[in-house]
Amino acid sequence: DTEVTQTPKHLVMGMTNKKSLKCEQHMGHRAMYWYKQKAKKPPELMFVYSYEKLSINESVPSRFSPECPNSSLLNLHLHALQPEDSALYLCASSQEGLGGNTIYFGEGSWLTVV
Amino acid sequence: SQQGEEDPQALSIQEGENATMNCSYKTSINNLQWYRQNSGRGLVHLILIRSNEREKHSGRLRVTLDTSKKSSSLLITASRAADTASYFCATGLMYSGGGADGLTFGKGTHLIIQP
Repeated sequence: DTEVTQTPKHLVMGMTNKKSLKCEQHMGHRAMYWYKQKAKKPPELMFVYSYEKLSINESVPSRFSPECPNSSLLNLHLHALQPEDSALYLCASSQEGLGGNTIYFGEGSWLTVV
Repeated sequence: SQQGEEDPQALSIQEGENATMNCSYKTSINNLQWYRQNSGRGLVHLILIRSNEREKHSGRLRVTLDTSKKSSSLLITASRAADTASYFCATGLMYSGGGADGLTFGKGTHLIIQP
């Protein structure tokens, strides 16, 4: 069972809506991530937060806006999305530090843009 | 950008047989991780192998890493129907500045275990 919790599990939104995806972890991890996964494709990195600061933005359109309110929470604010943004959005977390660490994923939020 | 390439893209075997999946990558890595994903679900971490390691075991799983060939393999022994899933390798890049840099995933192997 994953210790990264994502809500909601499913979200349907119109192109003019504003919504948010939420992610929470209580493993004391200081790195958190957002990935996007289209059907039958591998996950693609969107954002990395390290010690609550945005450290990597993989050229993601500004209609996706990440936020890290504290070390346990990560949000993804959505506004003016397009139908092609429909996908599974995965949150993940890991310990910080050199050498690389296991990255733990949540179950994901299925987003449908209509 | 995509780093790993899994081979084969799809594999169907009988229950009880062994399943081997391969992964190749292009750049120098810090570590390589294998994940399993059941249809429509999140990713489950299987094994992490660091660039200075050559082999790791976990239960019925065996992972090898050959950094000279930039390749890794995942062996699942005595397969079970519940092993049916997609398997991804993911590489953590060399990051001299330290800190988290995320993972780059391969295309994945879809494994089907026939009962």
